[in-house]
Amino acid sequence: DGGITQSPKYLFRKEGQNVTLSCEQNLNHDAMYWYRQDPGQGLRLIYYSQIVNDFQKGDIAEGYSVSREKKESFPLTVTSAQKNPTAFYLCASSILPRGQQPQHFGDGTRLSIL
Amino acid sequence: GENVEQHPSTLSVQEGDSAVIKCTYSDSASNYFPWYKQELGKGPQLIIDIRSNVGEKKDQRIAVTLNKTAKHFSLHITETQPEDSAVYFCAASVVQGAQKLVFGQGTRLTINP
Repeated sequence: DGGITQSPKYLFRKEGQNVTLSCEQNLNHDAMYWYRQDPGQGLRLIYYSQIVNDFQKGDIAEGYSVSREKKESFPLTVTSAQKNPTAFYLCASSILPRGQQPQHFGDGTRLSIL
Repeated sequence: GENVEQHPSTLSVQEGDSAVIKCTYSDSASNYFPWYKQELGKGPQLIIDIRSNVGEKKDQRIAVTLNKTAKHFSLHITETQPEDSAVYFCAASVVQGAQKLVFGQGTRLTINP
């Protein structure tokens, strides 16, 4: 089955620690995205990537970093500079638009502070 | 930049009745408007989308309307069923290369049996 796999489902971070969230897709999509979701709020864009080895900041990139070494993979690192990392993190992918194409989401990683 | 407002934040309807969720957007250049359904502990799932050259789109019990002049769009669910209970998000984007979606705050829909 084609889809987006995020791992782990739950993750705990200690003070001063960097943690990396995994996102893999087998949909052959060009673009990939990372969103943060806080309780009672909509999704906010952290980073996105249109092609391998290229990515752009979204609206809330501070304290996060990404890489795109392979088309199917777009890992997100939550660094110690992110002072309020507790949230639900969602990865998405889409075909690069020739017109507007929908984004497909994974089932998320919930990050908490120890 | 784009700002999307969504109302109401919670909505409770009797099974079989209709539900309507409304969104407004600020950027007149936005040209793509998807709606997502999110169940507890899951990622959002696309249920319907509409492009700016269309005023209305329907898929079985779900319909979306778009008023570009007023910059608002709405989700209509008819003959609601218990499995429609979830959080619904609207979004808007201007497609320039990658699709940067801006989401509304979400509506928690509860269907009462």
